[in-house]
Amino acid sequence: TQLLEQSPQFLSIQEGENLTVYCNSSSVFSSLQWYRQEPGEGPVLLVTVVTGGEVKKLKRLTFQFGDARKDSSLHITAAQPGDTGLYLCAGGDTGKLIFGQGTTLQVKP
Amino acid sequence: DARVTQTPRDKVTEMGQEVTMRCQPILGHNTVFWYRQTMMQGLELLAYFRNRAPLDDSGMPKDRFSAEMPDATLATLKIQPSEPRDSAVYFCASAGTGFWETQYFGPGTRLLVL
Repeated sequence: TQLLEQSPQFLSIQEGENLTVYCNSSSVFSSLQWYRQEPGEGPVLLVTVVTGGEVKKLKRLTFQFGDARKDSSLHITAAQPGDTGLYLCAGGDTGKLIFGQGTTLQVKP
Repeated sequence: DARVTQTPRDKVTEMGQEVTMRCQPILGHNTVFWYRQTMMQGLELLAYFRNRAPLDDSGMPKDRFSAEMPDATLATLKIQPSEPRDSAVYFCASAGTGFWETQYFGPGTRLLVL
């Protein structure tokens, strides 16, 4: 069974701080996606990475796919209260996604 | 602005009752997923369809859950009989046919079984 483990599960920081969320697995995935979910809504895709070692940037968010395509990280620079939410990583597996448990981020003003 | 719609948004029912949740995928999307989200288990894939045919329903308790796509614009998830442990938020998502297609999630149906 393929599993994705995210860490940390919860993160509460002050506005302006930097943070990194990790997504690890013992399995190789064809792609790795990061989603963000706000209360009462469904997850919304932030990025897809498909090549080992790939780095993508989305404003203050930097996503990296591990060389072996088993892990990924999300780094947020100068976090803002608007970044608050649940961050989910998801590994691509023959047309479906396996989701991690999520990281709940709270950014306090 | 194309969106996945789900009905009802909230459902409270008593144990043993039948529950039907509906999803309208984005027009033109031919892949539909059903997920269940709880605090303990996170987001779990229950079943998914491509071109209305079920491809994988291994995540779904077969004795009480059933999923169908009567037509390309409607997917249903039914629980009969419902149990308190089914209480969760159920999401529908749709996607195109590309290998790394984005999944677009609906707002979810929040189910509470008393």
